[in-house]
Amino acid sequence: DSGVTQTPKHLITATGQRVTLRCSPRSGDLSVYWYQQSLDQGLQFLIQYYNGEERAKGNILERFSAQQFPDLHSELNLSSLELGDSALYFCASSPGQGRSNQPQHFGDGTRLSIL
Amino acid sequence: AQSVAQPEDQVNVAEGNPLTVKCTYSVSGNPYLFWYVQYPNRGLQFLLKYITGDNLVKGSYGFEAEFNKSQTSFHLKKPSALVSDSALYFCAVSAQTGANNLFFGTGTRLTVIP
Repeated sequence: DSGVTQTPKHLITATGQRVTLRCSPRSGDLSVYWYQQSLDQGLQFLIQYYNGEERAKGNILERFSAQQFPDLHSELNLSSLELGDSALYFCASSPGQGRSNQPQHFGDGTRLSIL
Repeated sequence: AQSVAQPEDQVNVAEGNPLTVKCTYSVSGNPYLFWYVQYPNRGLQFLLKYITGDNLVKGSYGFEAEFNKSQTSFHLKKPSALVSDSALYFCAVSAQTGANNLFFGTGTRLTVIP
């Protein structure tokens, strides 16, 4: 058990809808990262938050947004969903100041299916 | 820009034989290198990392990896494969400066044949 909790495990919705994915990091970890895993794109970094503030941005679409709350949990919001957004979305967390030499610990992911 | 290449989509090895999963990387400056394993319907599990120092890094479950700066490689190895090692393996790199997000390879599926 990595200590990172993601909910829900599965999400099925329709095109055009909006969903929110939730992540609770490991106890004490201040950095949260979001990744998208799909068959055609592989594992892609979306965005990182550190102690409530956005720290780095990757290949995140404008339709997607995220935030980290004072209790350090994070939410990833996906809107105007398209078929191509179907993927596994992972949250990861890392300790301390989120230095790049620290391993990230991953949750089990949310599988999003767009019908 | 950082990138990782895992040249083999699939590696098959007989149980008890040594295994190698290959990884090469590209990064500006010195790299931090990681190996992760993913089992079906699970998240990625950290196996080992190279930060600095000894080129041979030992990790979880008997895995080790060899850092080779001149060949920009970080191959994952295990002396004796187990059937339970069958999974998807990802190599990842981050730069020592700047943003610390990971860049992942495309993954290598390891199958250990009984």
